[in-house]
Amino acid sequence: SQTIHQWPATLVQPVGSPLSLECTVEGTSNPNLYWYRQAAGRGLQLLFYSVGIGQISSEVPQNLSASRPQDRQFILSSKKLLLSDSGFYLCAWRVGAVNTGELFFGEGSRLTVL
Amino acid sequence: AQSVTQLDSHVSVSEGTPVLLRCNYSSSYSPSLFWYVQHPNKGLQLLLKYTSAATLVKGINGFEAEFKKSETSFHLTKPSAHMSDAAEYFCVVGNAGNMLTFGGGTRLMVKP
Repeated sequence: SQTIHQWPATLVQPVGSPLSLECTVEGTSNPNLYWYRQAAGRGLQLLFYSVGIGQISSEVPQNLSASRPQDRQFILSSKKLLLSDSGFYLCAWRVGAVNTGELFFGEGSRLTVL
Repeated sequence: AQSVTQLDSHVSVSEGTPVLLRCNYSSSYSPSLFWYVQHPNKGLQLLLKYTSAATLVKGINGFEAEFKKSETSFHLTKPSAHMSDAAEYFCVVGNAGNMLTFGGGTRLMVKP
């Protein structure tokens, strides 16, 4: 069966420090991978998606970046965090067309920037 | 372009009473529609989806939703709420362009 792992689950970082959140998927090949952010009291905002190794599409200009070094690994990074980067970050994967396949979400990573 | 509007940010019901969470969408294409549930500090889980088959869709945990094209709506219902249904619910629209658009979410509270 397919599983998705996301870590760390909780992170407290000072402003200006770097960030690395990692997501891995098991039990499937060539998934579409997504990073979403959920700010307090708000809906989900798509940050990045990837349809294959090394292929990253960014939806929102920001100081975050994403990389996909392997088929089932998706990394969210920042060189210098801002206060506004605080939020709940969710990794998700999907196989198949968006109009037929569901998204499978990880458990999320809560980032607090102080 | 597509968009999703969840008409209520918070809904409060008593245990055992019906649940109605409202969702309206706009889409230039024939849409696919989804409802996801999120329990506190957890990821999202699919409740049900509509992909141009039957307009009344049944999902997990007794939830169902009806696609009404004339009203551009996809409201989520459940006949009898349980305490475990307390969570945040997201209506989502997708199209053939590989994009999903999430609504702002509705927080459901269930009173004993």
